[in-house]
Amino acid sequence: EAGVAQSPRYKIIEKRQSVAFWCNPISGHATLYWYQQILGQGPKLLIQFQNNGVVDDSQLPKDRFSAERLKGVDSTLKIQPAKLEDSAVYLCASSPSVGGNTIYFGEGSWLTVV
Amino acid sequence: AQSVTQLGSHVSVSEGALVLLRCNYSSSVPPYLFWYVQYPNQGLQLLLKYTTGATLVKGINGFEAEFKKSETSFHLTKPSAHMSDAAEYFCAVSGGAGNKLTFGGGTRVLVKP
Repeated sequence: EAGVAQSPRYKIIEKRQSVAFWCNPISGHATLYWYQQILGQGPKLLIQFQNNGVVDDSQLPKDRFSAERLKGVDSTLKIQPAKLEDSAVYLCASSPSVGGNTIYFGEGSWLTVV
Repeated sequence: AQSVTQLGSHVSVSEGALVLLRCNYSSSVPPYLFWYVQYPNQGLQLLLKYTTGATLVKGINGFEAEFKKSETSFHLTKPSAHMSDAAEYFCAVSGGAGNKLTFGGGTRVLVKP
């Protein structure tokens, strides 16, 4: 079974530029998550989708971050304009449903803002 | 609201020695508890999880954890450390609607030969 796919794996941009990350979850998984992991910290949830609807985006900095999952399958996370403090790993994850089921993570997209 | 505290950001153990990583949680609903491992430049891999039932949970690579409700703890152990156990370990909690994970700050394990 294919895992969670993410691209690009690595990206370096200058501050105030924009960047987009793509995620394709495990086939059949209704729930998709984007987490931000700053170096030396645990991952923090940015946004959670159930099919193509947003369940939780309370910690998404909406002035610069946006995410969509238009057809309930793959998803895109965009940052515009980027700040230095956005340097982090952006982890996409998916799970079959709610209620304690395992959440499977992709390998992450590593962003460096210079 | 939920939170996780991992005691010790770095742990150093000798090869063959016991590995003990501490995790305490706070949850307003019955928790689901998880341990994930992260190797350098990789994503998170599930080691084990507790949802309901038996409080001693066995996972991959010889790890196990015990859910202690009275202590709000879910400590991770492995009887004998191996060099390949060097990684960062994250404890996480979820519960209630939504199933989202709240992570602790992580514990980096160094294994000395």
